[in-house]
Amino acid sequence: SQQGEEDPQALSIQEGENATMNCSYKTSINNLQWYRQNSGRGLVHLILIRSNEREKHSGRLRVTLDTSKKSSSLLITASRAADTASYFCATDMYSGGGADGLTFGKGTHLIIQP
Amino acid sequence: NAGVTQTPKFQVLKTGQSMTLQCAQDMNHEYMSWYRQDPGMGLRLIHYSVGAGITDQGEVPNGYNVSRSTTEDFPLRLLSAAPSQTSVYFCASSYEPRGLAGGEQFFGPGTRLTVL
Repeated sequence: SQQGEEDPQALSIQEGENATMNCSYKTSINNLQWYRQNSGRGLVHLILIRSNEREKHSGRLRVTLDTSKKSSSLLITASRAADTASYFCATDMYSGGGADGLTFGKGTHLIIQP
Repeated sequence: NAGVTQTPKFQVLKTGQSMTLQCAQDMNHEYMSWYRQDPGMGLRLIHYSVGAGITDQGEVPNGYNVSRSTTEDFPLRLLSAAPSQTSVYFCASSYEPRGLAGGEQFFGPGTRLTVL
């Protein structure tokens, strides 16, 4: 079963605008990660936020984490055409006895209109 | 560093055929994993390995075998291909799956497999 679920499934904005996508998950996590996937390519790690952190920045990216609501958001500021991609949140599925890897949501497909 | 490499990039199989998807990394990562990605879906973990000689099942292991004889290589074998295994397969590696190092995973470019 998928732990993380992104919202919205698709988002289309004008270049220069900010893009916000959300991720909800079901169980306790060690950390939450965001990845980007360009069409036909592998996933690229963007940012990791630990369960004891509330906000993290990396360049034009801002990630927040609310463990009480089991949710995270990814904000991309001043969007560019090159930001067009699918964005996935991933959580650590390890719980002391199960499989050891990441659980991915279905992704948000972001389109930046020129 | 080449990072994570996968071969082949594309493959078409007939039902019942077997094949091996190759994955190699040159970052000396202990943890390696295989995921499959289906249309409109996130990635699902097939098998993983926390070091040479150690492998374990992920979320969707049926129909696949793995082995880890070296730190660098982690091949995925399809024993008897079925149309349900049509997917894009990604190999990933990390220093460790979680913990202090963070668990950031490095992904290969993927293998697009079609089973007829």
